[in-house]
Amino acid sequence: EAGVAQSPRYKIIEKRQSVAFWCNPISGHATLYWYQQILGQGPKLLIQFQNNGVVDDSQLPKDRFSAERLKGVDSTLKIQPAKLEDSAVYLCASSSNWGHINSPLHFGNGTRLTVT
Amino acid sequence: AQRVTQPEKLLSVFKGAPVELKCNYSYSGSPELFWYVQYSRQRLQLLLRHISRESIKGFTADLNKGETSFHLKKPFAQEEDSAMYYCALKGSGNTPLVFGKGTRLSVIA
Repeated sequence: EAGVAQSPRYKIIEKRQSVAFWCNPISGHATLYWYQQILGQGPKLLIQFQNNGVVDDSQLPKDRFSAERLKGVDSTLKIQPAKLEDSAVYLCASSSNWGHINSPLHFGNGTRLTVT
Repeated sequence: AQRVTQPEKLLSVFKGAPVELKCNYSYSGSPELFWYVQYSRQRLQLLLRHISRESIKGFTADLNKGETSFHLKKPFAQEEDSAMYYCALKGSGNTPLVFGKGTRLSVIA
């Protein structure tokens, strides 16, 4: 099966600019996640979707971050305006069965964002 | 609150030596524990999960609820085991998967 696709792979922007990341999950996977991984740390969940509904966005900085999954398939994550501390790898993951032990997360390659 | 602690940032071992990557967790309920691995230039992927009680690539991990640990072990390390390893915990219901900071394993020939 094709894996989780993310684009772009790399992005360099100046602070206060805007940026958007795109994710296409594995076909048929209802659950989609966006994680932020800062250098030297483990991935931290930003937002979780079940189909096109938000399940958990408690750690999403909503003053500058937004995400959508309008048709329950692709998703975009936007940062506006970016800050220096947003420099990180943004990982998209999907799973077939929300919360089920036999539904591991499948990760994309990530987008490495550098804010200067 | 869920928390995962991996005390070692870097672990270096010689090829053929035993490996133990430590993971401790904090969670009041019954957790589901996982190990994820990221090889160089590859995406993060599931290595094993405690409920399966499986051995993957020679690695095993036992959930010790008394010590709240889920250490990853392999009796004889191979060079291809060099990678970044993340311990992760999922609580009950729709709680998210929480990752530790990771341990980089370097196997020296």
